[in-house]
Amino acid sequence: KNQVEQSPQSLIILEGKNCTLQCNYTVSPFSNLRWYKQDTGRGPVSLTIMTFSENTKSNGRYTATLDADTKQSSLHITASQLSDSASYICVVSIGYNNNDMRFGAGTRLTVKP
Amino acid sequence: DAGVIQSPRHEVTEMGQEVTLRCKPISGHDYLFWYRQTMMRGLELLIYFNNNVPIDDSGMPEDRFSAKMPNASFSTLKIQPSEPRDSAVYFCASSPDTYNEQFFGPGTRLTVL
Repeated sequence: KNQVEQSPQSLIILEGKNCTLQCNYTVSPFSNLRWYKQDTGRGPVSLTIMTFSENTKSNGRYTATLDADTKQSSLHITASQLSDSASYICVVSIGYNNNDMRFGAGTRLTVKP
Repeated sequence: DAGVIQSPRHEVTEMGQEVTLRCKPISGHDYLFWYRQTMMRGLELLIYFNNNVPIDDSGMPEDRFSAKMPNASFSTLKIQPSEPRDSAVYFCASSPDTYNEQFFGPGTRLTVL
């Protein structure tokens, strides 16, 4: 079983609508959690990085939340745009080594006009 | 800065051939990472360097894979001999330290026939 589970696997929404992507993890001890956006044919781009003490972080229309007690994170996208169509990947780092990472399989978001 | 530069962008080779992928990190970044991404396995960390020294190569799938970083501005990932199951997109990323975001290159799409 993957230590980082993302849901849904894919999602289709209409332009202008909001959506929320989920990331549940089982890794321990937790170090930080990152959300990446990956456009088709390109490398991932960092959206947010959250440590244990942070429970919310925003980057424009993207807002990530973290509940370290329940080991859940969400990425909320407000007023979606066509350019939000991409894969969103959740990455959790373990322990004191921020580079010991576990990767989610990603959520494929499609925004339609 | 031009960002992380990878070459070639596409590589098609035959089974058994040697493949060398190249990466130029962002100037001043002390960390360099090599990733592999496939539909089946998602994103996987292969190896990372700190100040040109390999720190963790536990993600390298087998001895056919090797990586070097002879200086702060250049790294290679070599596969010898290549096999069809090595077909994937290989990303290089760099970061200034272990706490901040990683910047990914555009990737090299490798196809082994």
